[in-house]
Amino acid sequence: AQSVTQLGSHVSVSEGALVLLRCNYSSSVPPYLFWYVQYPNQGLQLLLKYTSAATLVKGINGFEAEFKKSETSFHLTKPSAHMSDAAEYFCAVSDLNDYKLSFGAGTTVTVRA
Amino acid sequence: EAGVAQSPRYKIIEKRQSVAFWCNPISGHATLYWYQQILGQGPKLLIQFQNNGVVDDSQLPKDRFSAERLKGVDSTLKIQPAKLEDSAVYLCASSSPGYNEQFFGPGTRLTVL
Repeated sequence: AQSVTQLGSHVSVSEGALVLLRCNYSSSVPPYLFWYVQYPNQGLQLLLKYTSAATLVKGINGFEAEFKKSETSFHLTKPSAHMSDAAEYFCAVSDLNDYKLSFGAGTTVTVRA
Repeated sequence: EAGVAQSPRYKIIEKRQSVAFWCNPISGHATLYWYQQILGQGPKLLIQFQNNGVVDDSQLPKDRFSAERLKGVDSTLKIQPAKLEDSAVYLCASSSPGYNEQFFGPGTRLTVL
């Protein structure tokens, strides 16, 4: 079964600083990869997804992620953090022929003024 | 376009009681998922429906959990009897057939005392 590992359960950044959230997947075949964001008391919202097209994927709210097959990674970045980016972020993976999602444990981002 | 609707948003019950959650997916979405999200963890798939048929319920604790989607539209998830460890957020998601993006509802937060 597919799985992902998110490194770091909490990340704290200053407003305006780079946001970097790490995700590694376990699969011999590049799967579909996703980043979701969850604000308090809300459901999950898709930030971006990798589906074997471009390796650099741009998403909403200024986020982007780069798929690196050699490193089995799909790290999420944003050049300049905003207070509204404070939330929990989940990396998820699915097989190419089966769209069930397996989620990582999540990374909570706090943004300092 | 209306999103995925879930109710209730919050529920507090005593252990050994029963509880039911309701989900109405996005119109036209044939695939419906129920996830359990325990505090501090990523969502875990409980059951997947395609129209009114079950595709995968391998992670559903069938001794106490049940789910149905009788008319292929809305769905209910039931727990009977509830245990303390069932305290979690229950998320419903839907997607179009052959489309690898899932849309999530706001979730139902269950507290079992």
